[in-house]
Amino acid sequence: QVLLQESGPGLVKPSETLSLTCSVSGASMRNYYWTWIRQSPGKGLEWIGYIYHNGNSKYNPSLKGRATIFIDTSNNQFSLRVLSVTAADSAIYYCARDIPRGVNWLDPWGQGILVTVSS
Amino acid sequence: DIQMTQSPSFLSASIGDRVTITCRASQNINIYLNWYQHKPGKAPQLLIFAASSLQSGVPSRFSGSGSGTDFTLTISSLQPEDFATYYCQQSYTTPRTFGQGTRVDLK
Repeated sequence: QVLLQESGPGLVKPSETLSLTCSVSGASMRNYYWTWIRQSPGKGLEWIGYIYHNGNSKYNPSLKGRATIFIDTSNNQFSLRVLSVTAADSAIYYCARDIPRGVNWLDPWGQGILVTVSS
Repeated sequence: DIQMTQSPSFLSASIGDRVTITCRASQNINIYLNWYQHKPGKAPQLLIFAASSLQSGVPSRFSGSGSGTDFTLTISSLQPEDFATYYCQQSYTTPRTFGQGTRVDLK
């Protein structure tokens, strides 16, 4: 069974950097895209970006270049960094595996981690 | 970005009801459409991928249909464990985008 688990601080100060890690168990990281998604309070799901096992990545332009995803295949984990956070970055952050089989889909997802941006 | 519009946003139904949720894409996405179920505090779960393929382990009362811009998720007979929020998602291009969600509640 493939399991994903997010970890990181639940509280970040405005203008600082948000850093989260997703630990992957039960599967190799090869040949998949590793994804971050967030859900702000009362809002829908927003795709942040993904990284392939070889390090290639894509991001949502909505984050205006503030997001970076890193991958560490030797330790089966990947990470998200968001610079210069504001209250608008407060959200539940999910990691997920994006499976490319012609059509891509997300499975599984982590349980999510709540991050609040506040001084 | 491709806009995904779900309807309804909220649905009140009884056990045993047939429930239909629709998702419309702002442009042709072929069958690059997935459906997820999300319960509070839990990880979202994949139900349907590629518009109509049932994910392994998902009950057969769930089905998906459609292609191009219009898609449907159907629950043939609503069960107590099905009360949740459902999201469609396009994987035709990046950025991936989701519908706003359909919350299914007990009538």
